[in-house]
Order: sequence, then structure tokens, then C-alpha cells
Amino acid sequence: EDQVTQSPEALRLQEGESSSLNCSYTVSGLRGLFWYRQDPGKGPEFLFTLYSAGEEKEKERLKATLTKKESFLHITAPKPEDSATYLCAVFTGTASKLTFGTGTRLQVTL
Amino acid sequence: NAGVMQNPRHLVRRRGQEARLRCSPMKGHSHVYWYRQLPEEGLKFMVYLQKENIIDESGMPKERFSAEFPKEGPSILRIQQVVRGDSAAYFCASSPEIDQPQHFGDGTRLSIL
Repeated sequence: EDQVTQSPEALRLQEGESSSLNCSYTVSGLRGLFWYRQDPGKGPEFLFTLYSAGEEKEKERLKATLTKKESFLHITAPKPEDSATYLCAVFTGTASKLTFGTGTRLQVTL
Repeated sequence: NAGVMQNPRHLVRRRGQEARLRCSPMKGHSHVYWYRQLPEEGLKFMVYLQKENIIDESGMPKERFSAEFPKEGPSILRIQQVVRGDSAAYFCASSPEIDQPQHFGDGTRLSIL
């Protein structure tokens, strides 16, 4: 069974304090790894797709990387508006579904 | 370009009633997925549909739950004879192809009295 584990569960940063979120996975036949952002009361908002080890994607203050066992979401100089829950999900060749981790709740304070 | 539209946003039902949740996918998306999110838990896959076909329902409870995606109109997730444990946020997602990113609606929050 596909498994996705995210750490830490919660992270509190000061504005400008860079950090990384981790997503480790155990799957058979990874076809893609997705990062989403979810705000309270809203649905997940798509951020990145990574398809192969070594791949990197960037968007504003966020950068996602992928290895054969894990993915990192690096947040550089975060702002309070980056506060949200960040979700990682995997898509495998044997299933049509996304398997999600439980997320990292990020809070960025002034 | 409108996103995935779900309605209602909030739905309250008494035990034993039926709940119907609707989802209109993004324009050009023919793949629809339903997920359930319980408090303090991650999103769990329920069912995957293409127009008029259920492709994978491995995450859906065998009883009381059903889903459809007719040729015309939105996808419907139906829960019959609801129980307290059905209280959750139900999210719909759509994608243009199976291995493309899934885009989510803002969910329907179902509360059972």
C-alpha cells in the first residue's frame, strides 16, 4: 500500500526565516508527486508536479525538489501570507487516485 | 476560466436522510475524483469517474454511497441513510487527463445532526 509521511506536522516561522518541509513516500511505481497548499475552509490549491528524481520546480518563494524517497518544499524568506497547510500527494502507475500525506501546518509571523 | 464548482458549500442532514453533493469539473476536464477529509486526517480517495463511467471506486464504502457522472450535468456523490460518522468535508477534483494535476473545488461540508 502506498504511504506518504509529512514532517513536521506543524511549523512556526518568523517572517524571513527560511525552512524546508519534508514529504517521504513508499510507493510502487511513482508516476508523479504533487504539492498543494490548503487554506482553512478551502480546497487544495495546486502548486507543483514533480515526475522524476532530480527534478526541481520553483514559484515565487517556494521551491520543490524530488529524490527517489522524498520530496522537499523549501520556503525562502516566507511572508505571513504563506501561512497555510501544505499537502504532498503521490500518483502511482497502479492506481488512478492521489494518496495524500496529512500535511504540514505552516504559520509565519511578523 | 472557472474552477471546479461544488455545491452546496454546507449541508446539514438528520440521521437517516439522504445527502446529494454536486460537482462541476473545470471546462475541458473529463476526469472527476471525489475525496473525503475527516477532522485531523488527510484527504482520502473515494471514487474516480469519467463521463458515464465509474473507473475506480476502491475507496468508497460498499453500502449507502454511490457516485455518478452523467453525460450531461454535474457529477453527483450520493449518501443514503446518513449516519453521524459521515460528517466530513467532501472534495471534488478534476483533471484533463489521468496523470495531469488534479484541481480541487472548495468542498462540501456535511454535518449530520
